[in-house]
Amino acid sequence: SAVTQPRSVSGSPGQSVTISCTGTSTALSGYNSVSWYQQHPDKAPKLIIYDVIKRPSGVPDRFSGSKSGDTASLTISGLQTEDEADYYCCSYAGYWVFGGGTKLTVL
Amino acid sequence: EVQLLESGGGRVQPGGSLRLSCAASGFAFSNYAVSWVRQAPGQSPEWVSSISSGFTTYYPDSFRGRVTISRDNSRNTLYLQMDSLTAEDTAIYYCARNTPPLGTFDYWGQGTLVTVSS
Repeated sequence: SAVTQPRSVSGSPGQSVTISCTGTSTALSGYNSVSWYQQHPDKAPKLIIYDVIKRPSGVPDRFSGSKSGDTASLTISGLQTEDEADYYCCSYAGYWVFGGGTKLTVL
Repeated sequence: EVQLLESGGGRVQPGGSLRLSCAASGFAFSNYAVSWVRQAPGQSPEWVSSISSGFTTYYPDSFRGRVTISRDNSRNTLYLQMDSLTAEDTAIYYCARNTPPLGTFDYWGQGTLVTVSS
């Protein structure tokens, strides 16, 4: 994948975690079309962040996005047990490309 | 409520073809770009194709020539014709709506499983 994420992250309830998404200069640095998806087992991905920082209606403000250069980040504050899921970043580089995914474990 | 309902998946032999459908409801289908995204077991999602509200089609190089996306606005339905299937095409195929005008994927269907096996 042209976009790299850590395989796993973990945190305790109430804590904050940040998931990074690092791409080639083509994949990330020149575009503001970075989005993040949450996927629970056997469910479809759910959009939680788009255009780097925007949250769709209904997504808690505990989820926030940012980008600096070739790296985009998703921060989840006030971790809850239901946040345990796989998270994927997605960017546009002339085509849509997804990161390899990060498994979030809430301890 | 936006709903996307895929159908047409199943088991197909290598070299075979399959046509997937996605019935949309709850929004003005003709005004939105829509897409197909697949996810192989244990893998991350992979963009397959998109079609704009103006019927312009988009494919990554890895799928161009092997799949054909189309839409029927009178039926609020999206299609994906897949040919020359191989075992590597085994995946859940999701229909997704794009944020305007051709942005990321804001609503997804529940997916339809395609298994390519002899």
